[in-house]
Amino acid sequence: RKEVEQDPGPFNVPEGATVAFNCTYSNSASQSFFWYRQDCRKEPKLLMSVYSSGNEDGRFTAQLNRASQYISLLIRDSKLSDSATYLCVVKPLGGRNYGGSQGNLIFGKGTKLSVKP
Amino acid sequence: DAMVIQNPRYQVTQFGKPVTLSCSQTLNHNVMYWYQQKSSQAPKLLFHYYDKDFNNEADTPDNFQSRRPNTSFCFLDIRSPGLGDAAMYLCATSRDAPGQASGANVLTFGAGSRLTVL
Repeated sequence: RKEVEQDPGPFNVPEGATVAFNCTYSNSASQSFFWYRQDCRKEPKLLMSVYSSGNEDGRFTAQLNRASQYISLLIRDSKLSDSATYLCVVKPLGGRNYGGSQGNLIFGKGTKLSVKP
Repeated sequence: DAMVIQNPRYQVTQFGKPVTLSCSQTLNHNVMYWYQQKSSQAPKLLFHYYDKDFNNEADTPDNFQSRRPNTSFCFLDIRSPGLGDAAMYLCATSRDAPGQASGANVLTFGAGSRLTVL
């Protein structure tokens, strides 16, 4: 099982639609979770962190399900400008006190969203 | 007010001709990273510096080297680029060390340097 898995899409939705993406992760000890947005041929930018209790930022809602090891991103009232690739990012437990991973962020391949007029 | 600046934005080189990509930051962050990203792929971490402490990923080829002469600057040297090294190279910074349990460890990326190998 890959460390971070996402459906690559593309998700083609009309303006105003609600769309949701899921991302699964394999390391149950993962401690931090993020959604980054990447526009075509641009750098990734932080969209939002994902907290255990779930969090909302305007039209965007992120949720974490530790039991099933997935995070989700819900976008309501989609805009044309939401068209981008959404990268799921997971921070495993790591560092000098732990074997293996140094705790560096692990990126998924991304889910491509295309919002049409 | 760009905070992580990469140069050049586009680099064309010939097979085997060394290339250096640069990254500078005004955030005074402790950690600087170099990622390689190919089309439709996840960014792949090559290495990172925590202050002057260099951390290489196990699967980063020897062809890739890095230097961090001071807090603000970090360089990626590709000693003998092959066709498979054509990619976007992303520099990123974070305030906290990757292994710290506390801290957001949020990455701020530069705009990237797109490398073409002929």
